[in-house]
This record gives sequence, C-alpha cells and structure tokens, in this order.
Amino acid sequence: DQQVKQNSPSLSVQEGRISILNCDYTNSMFDYFLWYKKYPAEGPTFLISISSIKDKNEDGRFTVFLNKSAKHLSLHIVPSQPGDSAVYFCAASAGGNNDMRFGAGTRLTVKP
Amino acid sequence: NAGVTQTPKFQVLKTGQSMTLQCAQDMNHEYMSWYRQDPGMGLRLIHYSVGAGITDQGEVPNGYNVSRSTTEDFPLRLLSAAPSQTSVYFCASSYGGTLSGNTIYFGEGSWLTVV
Repeated sequence: DQQVKQNSPSLSVQEGRISILNCDYTNSMFDYFLWYKKYPAEGPTFLISISSIKDKNEDGRFTVFLNKSAKHLSLHIVPSQPGDSAVYFCAASAGGNNDMRFGAGTRLTVKP
Repeated sequence: NAGVTQTPKFQVLKTGQSMTLQCAQDMNHEYMSWYRQDPGMGLRLIHYSVGAGITDQGEVPNGYNVSRSTTEDFPLRLLSAAPSQTSVYFCASSYGGTLSGNTIYFGEGSWLTVV
C-alpha cells in the first residue's frame, strides 16, 4: 500500500525551461512533506520541505506547492540546469515523527 | 566532515548467511534509521531509533535486527539472508523530528546482493 505516489518515472526537459515534478499522497494524516534529490551511487540529499499549514515554499530555483484538498504536491525547478539531472523523491510524514514514506522517485533529465 | 558513514559499500551473500551493515554518524544526532531502496518502491523504513537504547520497527522490519548501544552507531543485522533482501540500504540520521525542520542526512548506501 504505497501512500506516496510519483506516477511519472521519468521527465526530460530542456535547459532553461521549467521542470515540474508531481507527487500524490493518500494518507490525510501526513502534515509534513519533503523533496530529496539523489545522484547515482550517492545517498539522497534534502532539497526542500513544506508544512501542511502552508501551500507554497520557495528556495531559490526550487518551489514546492501543496494542495491539501487534492492531496497533491509538486516541485517546480526554474530555470532547469543540467546539474539538476537526478532522481527526485517525494516524502511525507505525520505527527512530527521521522517515519517518512517515500514515493518511487522521478528521474529528471535536463538536456543542454 | 564524515556525516553518515556506511560499511560495507558492496556485499554479496549466500542465502542463509548472516551479516551486519554498519552505520556511524559524527553529528551527535539522536535519531537514526535504516531504509531499503528497491526499484519502483522508493525508500522504505526498516527500523529506527530515537536515541541510545531505544529502537522501533518501521514499515518493513522482518528479517532484520537493530541495536543502539551508543549515539553514534546503529548497525543493521540480517540474521539469515534471503534473495528478497537484495537491495540498496541507506542509513540516515537527524537531530530531531521532521516538523522541527531538521534535515535528515543519508549515508551513501550499501549494495547488498543475496544469491
């Protein structure tokens, strides 16, 4: 029972354009959401997070949007750069604990 | 600046063998955890610990044991390896809970193959 779903296994965009990665969740108890970025042969690294009391959080080129009614969040990368090419994982947790549930990941390729 | 260190990086086991994946962190983090990553499944929590002497089960604990005798170390034991345990294992640590905004740091991963 996958509570966090990333339905697009891969995404390819041109350098300079916007990348939009999507994530859906089923557990209404989730109240904290995170995005992690993973390069091959490395561990995931934290990218950006959002609490359920917000609907948007921005950090430089990265913005996460949360739509609680739709149980949907998205990560926008503008402008996309070749160095952004990686696998992006969406994660969610409930009640402030560290039991995060991850999506299966989306492989982003940014073409020069 | 070691962060989270996992050993070994690669291991091949025969079915039924036992082994321990080591994890150490030098950031004085209270929380440590083990995840496994499988194709199409994302990362799934195996076991976690909120401090020395305290451990608890995650989403997929069967076949694994953990202990936390010190703040720094959190080893993961496979008691009798099975092919279904072929996976990439990640150890992680953080200072506190995710709601406090603390980042969870991951190790580089341990590739385990059970034949």
